[in-house]
Amino acid sequence: NAGVMQNPRHLVRRRGQEARLRCSPMKGHSHVYWYRQLPEEGLKFMVYLQKENIIDESGMPKERFSAEFPKEGPSILRIQQVVRGDSAAYFCASSPKFQREIQETQYFGPGTRLLVL
Amino acid sequence: EDQVTQSPEALRLQEGESSSLNCSYTVSGLRGLFWYRQDPGKGPEFLFTLYSAGEEKEKERLKATLTKKESFLHITAPKPEDSATYLCAVQARRAGGTSYGKLTFGQGTILTVHP
Repeated sequence: NAGVMQNPRHLVRRRGQEARLRCSPMKGHSHVYWYRQLPEEGLKFMVYLQKENIIDESGMPKERFSAEFPKEGPSILRIQQVVRGDSAAYFCASSPKFQREIQETQYFGPGTRLLVL
Repeated sequence: EDQVTQSPEALRLQEGESSSLNCSYTVSGLRGLFWYRQDPGKGPEFLFTLYSAGEEKEKERLKATLTKKESFLHITAPKPEDSATYLCAVQARRAGGTSYGKLTFGQGTILTVHP
């Protein structure tokens, strides 16, 4: 059973370009979460999605960042007009469909390292 | 606002020298406390979930415990391959027992085990 897959693993962009990060959850998982890890900082929550729905985007910057999880295909984190401060590792995690009596554990992918020149 | 503080920031041990990592937390209502291990350049690897005070879980040389205010990750007779960053995270409970989904992480403890 394949784990959470993310691509690309490394992405280099120049200031002003767009970055698209992809995440395929584990088989059978319908919840996806995105986190960002800035250099020398801890993991910070960005957004929580289910198929075709954004459940919680309280951690997303108000501008330039968007996320989607379509009915078919991977979840996409999109960063428009990137700036140097966007350089970080972006991690995706997935969890199974929520069951009241079972606490959902989040399983993480290997991350995408974004470098903005 | 949920908060997680881990100590120490870094810990150096000799192989076989047991020790503990601390995770103090503040959360409106705890749904779960999670421990992860992260190796350089990789994503966090799930270790344990603890749900209520008094709960303990073990895996090989690791044992996690939980109180109402903190969690400990005990490492018994560590080996060099246990060297990694250990992350603690909490998930808050929402009214009705569901979760808010998001995990709030601490800064991590960097563990180095020398042979």
